[in-house]
Amino acid sequence: QVQLVQSGADVKKPGASVKVSCKASGYTFSNYDINWVRQATGQGLEWMGWMNPDSGDTGYAQKFQGRVTMTTNTSIGSAYLDLSGLTSEDTAVYYCARGRGGGSYDYFGMDVWGQGTTVIVSS
Amino acid sequence: DIQMTQFPSSLSASVGDRVTFTCRASQTISMFLNWYQQKPGKAPKLLIYGASNLQSGVPSRFSGSGSGTDFTLTINGLQPEDYATYYCQQSSSSPRTFGQGTKVEIK
Repeated sequence: QVQLVQSGADVKKPGASVKVSCKASGYTFSNYDINWVRQATGQGLEWMGWMNPDSGDTGYAQKFQGRVTMTTNTSIGSAYLDLSGLTSEDTAVYYCARGRGGGSYDYFGMDVWGQGTTVIVSS
Repeated sequence: DIQMTQFPSSLSASVGDRVTFTCRASQTISMFLNWYQQKPGKAPKLLIYGASNLQSGVPSRFSGSGSGTDFTLTINGLQPEDYATYYCQQSSSSPRTFGQGTKVEIK
């Protein structure tokens, strides 16, 4: 079936970087964008950005510009989120989600989500 | 950035109730509005896309309406499994923004 499976939880010290992976299966990976969304404990959903595996195009939320990098490996159907300069404010569950439209409009929403990866930033 | 505002932030309802909640965009987004349901400890689940289209596998008691800046999600006949937080999200432009959520609690 169509699914996204993410890497396991991680604990990082302030100032470090984290890399979260998201492996797709059950569909043609290059035909859809991968979005990244995070959620701090007890808070709402925060969109971080997107990447198109086929073109390599990316778009990042202004808040994360300069410390986020999204990549993909189309040969193995995986997407990656790199976030650097971690602070306690980055403690959250990070989700990948399938989407369309890139930086333009998307009629169909984010229809497949990974299970989430908990990242804890603590000294 | 387009701001999405949901109200109420929470509501209490009984099984069988008809429940409606609202999402408002800070500028027109045509029909590029999606609704998600999230249960504690789980990933969000797409319910409605394009403002009014039911995602495959979602029960027909869920419906969405609206266009432009004002949108609603309705649950006709609330079920025990519907107690969750519901988020709207605009997909008209980047950045994709979410509302702050409406939590549906048991009355």
